[in-house]
Amino acid sequence: GAVVSQHPSWVICKSGTSVKIECRSLDFQATTMFWYRQFPKQSLMLMATSNEGSKATYEQGVEKDKFLINHASLTLSTLTVTSAHPEDSSFYICSARDTWLARTYEQYFGPGTRLTVT
Amino acid sequence: AQTVTQSQPEMSVQEAETVTLSCTYDTSESDYYLFWYKQPPSRQMILVIRQEAYKQQNATENRFSVNFQKAAKSFSLKISDSQLGDAAMYFCAYRSAFGSGSRLTFGEGTQLTVNP
Repeated sequence: GAVVSQHPSWVICKSGTSVKIECRSLDFQATTMFWYRQFPKQSLMLMATSNEGSKATYEQGVEKDKFLINHASLTLSTLTVTSAHPEDSSFYICSARDTWLARTYEQYFGPGTRLTVT
Repeated sequence: AQTVTQSQPEMSVQEAETVTLSCTYDTSESDYYLFWYKQPPSRQMILVIRQEAYKQQNATENRFSVNFQKAAKSFSLKISDSQLGDAAMYFCAYRSAFGSGSRLTFGEGTQLTVNP
């Protein structure tokens, strides 16, 4: 149980275009999901916290208009990188917390999405 | 704000030997959780072990154990009988037990190499 999927696993797009990354909780409901960015050989940097049915909470320094997050259902959150540029190339990871385990300490991570902007 | 520090960017160990990865953290909270995550070359984050701050007993999961020193704010990971499959990036992480949407704060990571 507790599986999180991400789609696509790897995407290449041209500079100036937008790309959408999906994060799904497959066997549990997730009121809260998290989006991270990771550069090679570096740690995970939290970009935003996604809450079902409400606006995402962005970390300081993350451009809200560039990284659009939508959490329209209890099993799906999407991250859209708008007007992508080469510096947006990175590895994006989502994680989800089980709604019904209110005190759970665990987040379940997706396998990540590699974004390459040419 | 909480911070997590891993002072060892790289570590290596011989197969079947024991290695300890260090982690320190800074917080003013009394109730929190600490984690060690493993990230192999596939980059899938895998939970290795967790520790609740209110528990004095150190957590153990098979070959993995922690040395949790709450007063010193230290949380090291010991890997016994190291195996080739243990080679990965290891991240120490902190999570408050209160609010904050259960966000995780990660350390910089330690790249572990296991030599045959």
